[in-house]
Formats: sequence, C-alpha cells, structure tokens
Amino acid sequence: DAKTTQPNSMESNEEEPVHLPCNHSTISGTDYIHWYRQLPSQGPEYVIHGLTSNVNNRMASLAIAEDRKSSTLILHRATLRDAAVYYCILAYNNNDMRFGAGTRLTVKP
Amino acid sequence: DAGVTQSPTHLIKTRGQQVTLRCSPKSGHDTVSWYQQALGQGPQFIFQYYEEEERQRGNFPDRFSGHQFPNYSSELNVNALLLGDSALYLCASSLIRRLNTEAFFGQGTRLTVV
Repeated sequence: DAKTTQPNSMESNEEEPVHLPCNHSTISGTDYIHWYRQLPSQGPEYVIHGLTSNVNNRMASLAIAEDRKSSTLILHRATLRDAAVYYCILAYNNNDMRFGAGTRLTVKP
Repeated sequence: DAGVTQSPTHLIKTRGQQVTLRCSPKSGHDTVSWYQQALGQGPQFIFQYYEEEERQRGNFPDRFSGHQFPNYSSELNVNALLLGDSALYLCASSLIRRLNTEAFFGQGTRLTVV
C-alpha cells in the first residue's frame, strides 16, 4: 500500500492561512489524493481530493506537486472550527481508504 | 437528509461476547464501508459492501463479518470479543459509480470490551 507521511501536529493562528504538507513518494499513477478531517467526537469529514491538478473548493485548496510525490492542503483563513486531525490518504477509490495517524491542527485565537 | 446514521452510539460488552453494529447510509448511496478506529489512531479499513456482498476486505480476522440489506443498510458483527476490539467503529457510505468522490462518515459506535 502506498503510504503517506504527515507531521504529527501543527499550530496556526486564527484567520491566518495554514499549509498542511503530505509526502507520498510511492504514489501510483491511479492513486487519488484524498484529504479528510476529523473533529473531536465525530466521524471523518471529506475536505478535498485530486489526481494531478490543483483543486479548489469552498473548504480548502489542494496543491499537488508536479511529480505527485507530495501535496499540500491549504486552509485560506483558519478558524477555531478548523481545529481537527487532518488525514492525507492515497486511494484509487473512496471505499478502501488507508488512513495514517494524520496531523493534529491547533488553531490559536 | 439524515446523512449516515449509526446505532447504537455507545456499547459495553464482555470479553467473549458477540456484538452487532448497524449503519444506515446516506440517502441514495449504495456502498457501505466499515472502519475501526482505536484511541489516538487513524481509522483502519475493515471491509466494504456493495450489492449485498463483501467486495473488499482489510487485514481483519474472520471474527469480523458483515451484511448488507436490500435497502443498502449494513451490519457489522464481531464474534468472540477481545479487549483489543475496544474502539470507535465508523461506517462510511458512497456511490459505487462515483468511487473517486467523497465518502460520508457516520459519527460512529464506541465499543468498550471489559
């Protein structure tokens, strides 16, 4: 299974941008890059996903390196509600996602 | 739309017993996946059901089994419970024809084995 490497934790100030990195040097050509986040006492929540091109949605942006060996989730203005564990996952489809330990994001007021 | 609903929310069982957890997928979804999340860890894939059959399975023993009903709802059964089975059990639903889009997770069932 292709694996991802994320920092264990990161801190951000409220209303500032946050860049959450993910390394995935063994990614295969068919792997999509998925990001989910998990707020305390809740199930994971979809954030964004992409294959090769950068992606934007109402929640975040996903920047994918040209060689696809790394990606960055960008939260443009962090709020206190963005404090969560963020998971970067490689999967061909969303039915067999292999989660790692994720990055715990703390947002300071 | 109620989203993905799981029941019960909490459960306490004794070692050696059997347990059944239930999941109703988001309206319109036909595929259900189950995950186990131990404290402080990411969710681990158990198996996936589509058309009432197990399609994919993670690295879990046969004590873990499941079922999908014609209305797409699903059950997860765990036999001969061990203390190490204590975890949050998550259900996720999606559409088989849109595999590369988002999956929706329920809030989980917290199982404690004593």
